[in-house]
Amino acid sequence: KAGVTQTPRYLIKTRGQQVTLSCSPISGHRSVSWYQQTPGQGLQFLFEYFSETQRNKGNFPGRFSGRQFSNSRSEMNVSTLELGDSALYLCASSSAGGALFNNEQFFGPGTRLTVL
Amino acid sequence: AQSVTQLGSHVSVSEGALVLLRCNYSSSVPPYLFWYVQYPNQGLQLLLKYTSAATLVKGINGFEAEFKKSETSFHLTKPSAHMSDAAEYFCAVKGTGNQFYFGTGTSLTVIP
Repeated sequence: KAGVTQTPRYLIKTRGQQVTLSCSPISGHRSVSWYQQTPGQGLQFLFEYFSETQRNKGNFPGRFSGRQFSNSRSEMNVSTLELGDSALYLCASSSAGGALFNNEQFFGPGTRLTVL
Repeated sequence: AQSVTQLGSHVSVSEGALVLLRCNYSSSVPPYLFWYVQYPNQGLQLLLKYTSAATLVKGINGFEAEFKKSETSFHLTKPSAHMSDAAEYFCAVKGTGNQFYFGTGTSLTVIP
């Protein structure tokens, strides 16, 4: 089975621009989560999508948004980029939803976003 | 609410020595706990997970972790460190729904 893929792997943008990142989950996985990873803050949860619906959302401003398509592929968008948005953005997929399952998340390699 | 705390952002051990990475959790429900490893410029890879079937959990690459409810801990150990173990390690707890809460990570350095 192919793993989680993320495109692009590296991205350089300037302040004020917007960016769209893509994530393709493992085949059959319906849950996709996004994380922002920075040296100072560690892994911070952005949001989770399950069956095309946002199910959980972290504490990020509205400039960060996402969506999920019927094939479970997900995109996240960041508008009006700021220098502080420079980070590694990680996508993770999992096979089932709900608190009753101990299913793990499988991570992609991440997209390294640099904002100049 | 669920959360995890990793004690020690940096740990150094000699090659062949015991590795001990600490994780304490807070959870209002029986927790599902995980350890992940991250190598440079890569995503996170699952090392092991606590399934409630056994308190001592064995994972990949010789790592294991023991769930101790009385201490709310899930520390990661490996009897003998290898150079290839140098990486960032994250403890995580699964919260309500499918949301995961990660610790701030522990960077492991292995000294030859």
